[in-house]
Amino acid sequence: AQKITQTQPGMFVQEKEAVTLDCTYDTSDPSYGLFWYKQPSSGEMIFLIYQGSYDQQNATEGRYSLNFQKARKSANLVISASQLGDSAMYFCAMREGGRDDKIIFGKGTRLHILP
Amino acid sequence: GAVVSQHPSWVICKSGTSVKIECRSLDFQATTMFWYRQFPKQSLMLMATSNEGSKATYEQGVEKDKFLINHASLTLSTLTVTSAHPEDSSFYICSAAGKGTYNSPLHFGNGTRLTVT
Repeated sequence: AQKITQTQPGMFVQEKEAVTLDCTYDTSDPSYGLFWYKQPSSGEMIFLIYQGSYDQQNATEGRYSLNFQKARKSANLVISASQLGDSAMYFCAMREGGRDDKIIFGKGTRLHILP
Repeated sequence: GAVVSQHPSWVICKSGTSVKIECRSLDFQATTMFWYRQFPKQSLMLMATSNEGSKATYEQGVEKDKFLINHASLTLSTLTVTSAHPEDSSFYICSAAGKGTYNSPLHFGNGTRLTVT
């Protein structure tokens, strides 16, 4: 079963608009971390934001915020005031605290920002 | 922030040859390194997890004799694609983790684009 689900393969958004990228996850481990990474066409993985399972407040990092709804097991990424440079692939990922350190990725969402 | 260096960034080799990819953590001790493979327009697929001084743990379906991983020190892990074939052409990317827990993000190298002709 997929542990990380990103249901939007691609999105087109007008520049300066806010955009929400969806992510749902599945785990029975009470301790876990949720991450979002950006991958531009050059290939590098850029860490954007982190949310821990015990965090009470939603994480924010500049224009990025994470809408964490624990009961629904969702961790959507919100990008405010989108810019042309935001066009990239975005991956939601999870790291469980129980057994090992590995991080599991969703299939990704390709975001296109339109001028 | 933590820096992971991966080398080479791209390589072209002939079928049947072996290729070594290096992954170095530059400013922290990486107790665990991960190797991923990514096909075009797809997600990252974990190939193996390597811990310093011990044998790598491979994911199901990954040939350990084909993809040799060595994690000889706390700052260096290598992936060797042995007897490479065109179907091994892919983007390989490493990541490293320090002695942390689930709340530590992984830091990635910039990846290696392997083309086997």
